Amino acid sequence: QKEVEQNSGPLSVPEGAIASLNCTYSDRGSQSFFWYRQYSGKSPELIMSIYSNGDKEDGRFTAQLNKASQYVSLLIRDSQPSDSATYLCAVTTGANSKLTFGKGITLSVRP
Amino acid sequence: DTGVSQDPRHKITKRGQNVTFRCDPISEHNRLYWYRQTLGQGPEFLTYFQNEAQLEKSRLLSDRFSAERPKGSFSTLEIQRTEQGDSAMYLCASSHRRTGNTIYFGEGSWLTVV
Repeated sequence: QKEVEQNSGPLSVPEGAIASLNCTYSDRGSQSFFWYRQYSGKSPELIMSIYSNGDKEDGRFTAQLNKASQYVSLLIRDSQPSDSATYLCAVTTGANSKLTFGKGITLSVRP
Repeated sequence: DTGVSQDPRHKITKRGQNVTFRCDPISEHNRLYWYRQTLGQGPEFLTYFQNEAQLEKSRLLSDRFSAERPKGSFSTLEIQRTEQGDSAMYLCASSHRRTGNTIYFGEGSWLTVV
């Protein structure tokens, strides 16, 4: 089993819809959870971090963490064509803050 | 703060040649990471420095790969005797405990081995 799994995708939603991106992780000792956005040919850009169970909102983005289920999600409200990108889920385990990434989910927002 | 800076941004090399990438982290960031990313995959961890000490190396980092961070500032990643399978984007990132260990990536160095 891969450490961080992002199995769904690619995902296509119409402009203005809610996009829901999911991620599961295998190591119960994982401490910090991140969502990065990556445009084609560019490097990952941090958009959300979450450290404790529950929801965290930042503008149109909401990250949700459920440590019991080892599940992290990202909701994007009022999706825009500019949100079209690959979204990478990443977790850290241990003191060195090393990130372990999933393979990413490609989101396409249709105008 | 300027961001993480990587050089060169693109490198095309013939198989068997050596290549070196440089990374300048965000000022005062004591932690520096190297990742490799191939098409359709997430970044894979290669190695990690805290200050000048290389504290962890992935098994992905074969003996053809070497990384250094002299004086705990910039870092270099050298690949010797390149192979076509080394073609990827090499990402450098840095972080600091003071900023919650959030990891910030540079723009990456694209390597194409022909």
